[in-house]
Amino acid sequence: DTGVSQNPRHKITKRGQNVTFRCDPISEHNRLYWYRQTLGQGPEFLTYFQNEAQLEKSRLLSDRFSAERPKGSFSTLEIQRTEQGDSAMYLCASSFAGGDFGELFFGEGSRLTVL
Amino acid sequence: AQKVTQAQTEISVVEKEDVTLDCVYETRDTTYYLFWYKQPPSGELVFLIRRNSFDEQNEISGRYSWNFQKSTSSFNFTITASQVVDSAVYFCALSDERSNDYKLSFGAGTTVTVRA
Repeated sequence: DTGVSQNPRHKITKRGQNVTFRCDPISEHNRLYWYRQTLGQGPEFLTYFQNEAQLEKSRLLSDRFSAERPKGSFSTLEIQRTEQGDSAMYLCASSFAGGDFGELFFGEGSRLTVL
Repeated sequence: AQKVTQAQTEISVVEKEDVTLDCVYETRDTTYYLFWYKQPPSGELVFLIRRNSFDEQNEISGRYSWNFQKSTSSFNFTITASQVVDSAVYFCALSDERSNDYKLSFGAGTTVTVRA
């Protein structure tokens, strides 16, 4: 499978715990994005990497959230001290700079449930 | 500010019927891009089509067609002769050229159910 891979697919945690999600993009893609999707809503932009550089963060990304892409390949999204409002689907996408504008390749998402 | 409105929450049709999805957008930019994405039950969003603000030509691609009208800020999408496999949530999205292609503003989506 050469698509975008996300792990874990589903995480249930208690409020206050830390969680980490991993995204493996399509190998030749140098851009990587994180979006968040709550029930009944469309995805909302969280942050964006070009290679290993995090170029933009949304105001939705509070200081409890941190994302990394250490070697310009896979990325992790960590949420510290989770709150019930963090319950959502976290979507990762990738694309190739210079490719078709706006054609993002999404993974199947990591669903977070905070009890 | 950019905003995408998909007024239809759910649409249910019988196989082979046509389905038209409405999308209305707001932007102050003169250069922007509009998209349709499909999210099947498996969860991954799949890119379907893109249109830029300078190209109002409507097209057909297979069973998909779209109607872009700048005068009414609408970008409607039609599936012709629907099939059960078309059942999914469909999202309209908007991006202006300055924000680059990573900051798509999505609508809330329309759930399409095609019954056999």
